Amino acid sequence: KAGVTQTPRYLIKTRGQQVTLSCSPISGHRSVSWYQQTPGQGLQFLFEYFSETQRNKGNFPGRFSGRQFSNSRSEMNVSTLELGDSALYLCASSRENNEQFFGPGTRLTVL
Amino acid sequence: GQQLNQSPQSMFIQEGEDVSMNCTSSSIFNTWLWYKQDPGEGPVLLIALYKAGELTSNGRLTAQFGTTRKDSFLNISASIPSDVGIYFCAGQLGYYGGSQGNLIFGKGTKLSVKP
Repeated sequence: KAGVTQTPRYLIKTRGQQVTLSCSPISGHRSVSWYQQTPGQGLQFLFEYFSETQRNKGNFPGRFSGRQFSNSRSEMNVSTLELGDSALYLCASSRENNEQFFGPGTRLTVL
Repeated sequence: GQQLNQSPQSMFIQEGEDVSMNCTSSSIFNTWLWYKQDPGEGPVLLIALYKAGELTSNGRLTAQFGTTRKDSFLNISASIPSDVGIYFCAGQLGYYGGSQGNLIFGKGTKLSVKP
């Protein structure tokens, strides 16, 4: 069974730009969660989607948004990028609140 | 954001040694998970715990869900070089079918080989 896939693996952007990251969950998993990982703050929850609906949201500004498609694939978008948005963005999928399985992440660098 | 207290922050291991780490929280969780992360990769699930007092093993790894539901422990027996990495605990509020599925993570325990 294929694992969680995330694209792209690496991204370099400049301040003020926007970025879209993509996540394909494990087949049969309908819940997709996004996390931000930085050396200072560790792993922080961004949001969770289930059946195309945002079900839960972490404490991040409105510049961070996401969506989920009918095939459970998910995207997250960050607008007006700031230097502090540089991080590893991780996507995890699960069968509705069971164990969450993570993808390899997208490493975003904001210059 | 909310985080768990995970200790130790780092430790050095010699092949064959046993390793212990733990996580504590001021909040009660219904699920505890332990992950391992290698550089440049996403966390890999090692063990999931669902009941207070539960003791679960995965090969040389054993984890326990504390009876107060506010802590969890991970032990690695007879460590080997490939055990090196960062171990994270994560607490989850949600039940199956619930809506509080997000994970709250500890800051990690970094395992390195003794020089």
